[in-house]
Amino acid sequence: DAKTTQPTSMDCAEGRAANLPCNHSTISGNEYVYWYRQIHSQGPQYIIHGLKNNETNEMASLIITEDRKSSTLILPHATLRDTAVYYCIVRVQAGTALIFGKGTTLSVSS
Amino acid sequence: GAGVSQSPSNKVTEKGKDVELRCDPISGHTALYWYRQSLGQGLEFLIYFQGNSAPDKSGLPSDRFSAERTGGSVSTLTIQRTQQEDSAVYLCASSLAGEPNYGYTFGSGTRLTVV
Repeated sequence: DAKTTQPTSMDCAEGRAANLPCNHSTISGNEYVYWYRQIHSQGPQYIIHGLKNNETNEMASLIITEDRKSSTLILPHATLRDTAVYYCIVRVQAGTALIFGKGTTLSVSS
Repeated sequence: GAGVSQSPSNKVTEKGKDVELRCDPISGHTALYWYRQSLGQGLEFLIYFQGNSAPDKSGLPSDRFSAERTGGSVSTLTIQRTQQEDSAVYLCASSLAGEPNYGYTFGSGTRLTVV
């Protein structure tokens, strides 16, 4: 699977948008981009995924660049409960396991 | 069930003893995954099941670790002759067939402490 690069940590003020970047410059045409997060002492939680188009759900938006070499996860109105480690993962297909990197630690403060 | 259930939630065992960790996936989820997370570390992939077979067991750290899945449902991860470095949170996840259009659902994990 292609590797991803994420900043180690980010800060965000409560109520503001949190924009978490991810670089995946070696991504292949059939590889999906997944985002998960892990709140302290809990199992990871699926957030969103996409292939080429931008995606939005009740949790977040995923913006994928046209060349697919990077993406941004957007939490439109961050709350204190969004403080977590956010993982960006690329994966080609069913039948292989997601491999988690170190992720970005997002700290939301009031 | 409504979610992925793991038992026990906490396990303290003496070095050298065997332990069994259990995972009940969401009903109908054919794929099941085991990960472990040591204190302050990232998630380490252990093994993946599709149905009852394990096409990828590349993450098992040694032959002391084994896992099985029966009836396409419950999975057991067994660690023989436990060592202190086995202390970690062991996480199980399941997903529907036909991914990548579905995400994983993780359980709350089993915290294993080897003393």
